[in-house]
Amino acid sequence: AQSVTQLDSQVPVFEEAPVELRCNYSSSVSVYLFWYVQYPNQGLQLLLKYLSGSTLVKGINGFEAEFNKSQTSFHLRKPSVHISDTAEYFCAVREVNNDMRFGAGTRLTVKP
Amino acid sequence: DTAVSQTPKYLVTQMGNDKSIKCEQNLGHDTMYWYKQDSKKFLKIMFSYNNKELIINETVPNRFSPKSPDKAHLNLHINSLELGDSAVYFCASSQGLRGPQETQYFGPGTRLLVL
Repeated sequence: AQSVTQLDSQVPVFEEAPVELRCNYSSSVSVYLFWYVQYPNQGLQLLLKYLSGSTLVKGINGFEAEFNKSQTSFHLRKPSVHISDTAEYFCAVREVNNDMRFGAGTRLTVKP
Repeated sequence: DTAVSQTPKYLVTQMGNDKSIKCEQNLGHDTMYWYKQDSKKFLKIMFSYNNKELIINETVPNRFSPKSPDKAHLNLHINSLELGDSAVYFCASSQGLRGPQETQYFGPGTRLLVL
């Protein structure tokens, strides 16, 4: 079965700085990869997903992620963050005929 | 025009009680899910359900049962609530029959506190 590891539980950054949230997965078969964002007291929203094709995936709010099969990673990046990006970010992986597995989440805090 | 809605938003109750959380989606999706998010923010699937198949995560106690009156609703019923049931419960839906590439749309969550 697949598993997901988010390497950083908290990432504090200053406004307008770049950010990378790391995600690694393990699976013996092909997977589909997702990043979700959870703003305070809200449900999860899809940021982006990788299904196939180009390994660089662009999502909403200026986020992008790169699928690296050899390193089994799917790190999320944004070149310049805003205060409003403060939220919890979840990486998720799904195999065929299997449920979605979420990482433990990374708390991104953007400081002025 | 909320896509996935849950009620109630907050639920505070005593140990031993029975409670239900309702979920409705107006997206016309075929599959619905229930997730539990614990105090450490870890999300774990509990159930996935479409009109043909219920998949239960084997770690879920049988005190938890999903009930689906129709395709647009998947309610979560919990018997004999325990302190450890305190968590945020999220409902989600996806278009097809649990295809792995499908986007899941989440509700706003129900914050359950068992005293």
